[in-house]
Amino acid sequence: EPEVTQTPSHQVTQMGQEVILRCVPISNHLYFYWYRQILGQKVEFLVSFYNNEISEKSEIFDDQFSVERPDGSNFTLKIRSTKLEDSAMYFCASSAPSIAGDYNEQFFGPGTRLTVL
Amino acid sequence: GEDVEQSLFLSVREGDSSVINCTYTDSSSTYLYWYKQEPGAGLQLLTYIFSNMDMKQDQRLTVLLNKKDKHLSLRIADTQTGDSAIYFCADAYSSASKIIFGSGTRLSIRP
Repeated sequence: EPEVTQTPSHQVTQMGQEVILRCVPISNHLYFYWYRQILGQKVEFLVSFYNNEISEKSEIFDDQFSVERPDGSNFTLKIRSTKLEDSAMYFCASSAPSIAGDYNEQFFGPGTRLTVL
Repeated sequence: GEDVEQSLFLSVREGDSSVINCTYTDSSSTYLYWYKQEPGAGLQLLTYIFSNMDMKQDQRLTVLLNKKDKHLSLRIADTQTGDSAIYFCADAYSSASKIIFGSGTRLSIRP
């Protein structure tokens, strides 16, 4: 069964460093998402991406964050200068093209745990 | 703004039914979801209900939706130890939209 994969599973970085979290969405999917979950808190939407551009972003997704689909398979989240409060589990998700009225599930990856020291 | 609220903890005896409740604020939500998260794992979609439905049953799971009160519930029949997890209620305007999650209800099972 196709699945969303994420690498690395755990990333430890120093405050102020740049990190890139990588995701490989399901191959025929066209909608891509990043969510994060700070330990013990709710899962929060960060950004959605479609047709090579951001379709929606939350207030969390400030200038320190960027997303990219560098090739036909990867979808990345970059944090330019990490802060302690960026420590969280980051989930990538993808969904298939939506035909009006049809339901298309967002499939979540297993997550990357980011620890900022 | 958009918000989803649910109680933080629920403890049930093995074999009993578990009922997890949730309220949401966005009246334009079209899809309402229940996700399961086991320790150290990702998010697993358990079931979803479309906003024009009142009830959906899937094996041991029953979802009830009261759209007027913006109340969603998940009933797990014959709760087993493997059902121990955090259950997230969530909603979205469309299946391609961002998903808004609640804080999660930690379900624990006692023998």
